[in-house]
Amino acid sequence: DTEVTQTPKHLVMGMTNKKSLKCEQHMGHRAMYWYKQKAKKPPELMFVYSYEKLSINESVPSRFSPECPNSSLLNLHLHALQPEDSALYLCASSQVGGFYGYTFGSGTRLTVV
Amino acid sequence: GQQVMQIPQYQHVQEGEDFTTYCNSSTTLSNIQWYKQRPGGHPVFLIQLVKSGEVKKQKRLTFQFGEAKKNSSLHITATQTTDVGTYFCENTNAGKSTFGDGTTLTVKP
Repeated sequence: DTEVTQTPKHLVMGMTNKKSLKCEQHMGHRAMYWYKQKAKKPPELMFVYSYEKLSINESVPSRFSPECPNSSLLNLHLHALQPEDSALYLCASSQVGGFYGYTFGSGTRLTVV
Repeated sequence: GQQVMQIPQYQHVQEGEDFTTYCNSSTTLSNIQWYKQRPGGHPVFLIQLVKSGEVKKQKRLTFQFGEAKKNSSLHITATQTTDVGTYFCENTNAGKSTFGDGTTLTVKP
């Protein structure tokens, strides 16, 4: 029932691979987010896009590269990841500023081997 | 966001018992949001609190925001097995969100 769609749901990649995570929303939200969640931990903010522009980068390593092609789409490009990057990657959207809460996608469960 | 401390980390209850999780901050918060994450799922927005002393109810769930806006609580009356999951409080400040560590609720039938 989520209105934020993430693909793929599961991804296994080698440390030399390049892959992309995709996120799409049609709620008219102009803020979109990437979060990383490790097991039994809360979501950690990675990036914030407001009006399709990167507004917050929480000191994320450059092997993670976000992209916002338009107001409905958000991508996360992955390159040369480490095993410790294995986690659930969550996309979310909201009104700009986070008012009225965040709508999360179901996530991509990433395993780096 | 501003740091928010959440307790307890785990809570095990018998079905029908009540449950409460608390969220505390050393600084005044402009807002608190509550989320529920089922096992294997993603966080789902439950409620937003912004006013001092605010109390909101959703069926068996009662959410409170402290008078000083430094603490919040989520209370579930007469828990059911469908209530299992991890409950997170969250604060957004200057566009950045910070989640509490969560309280994981298990319910024994």
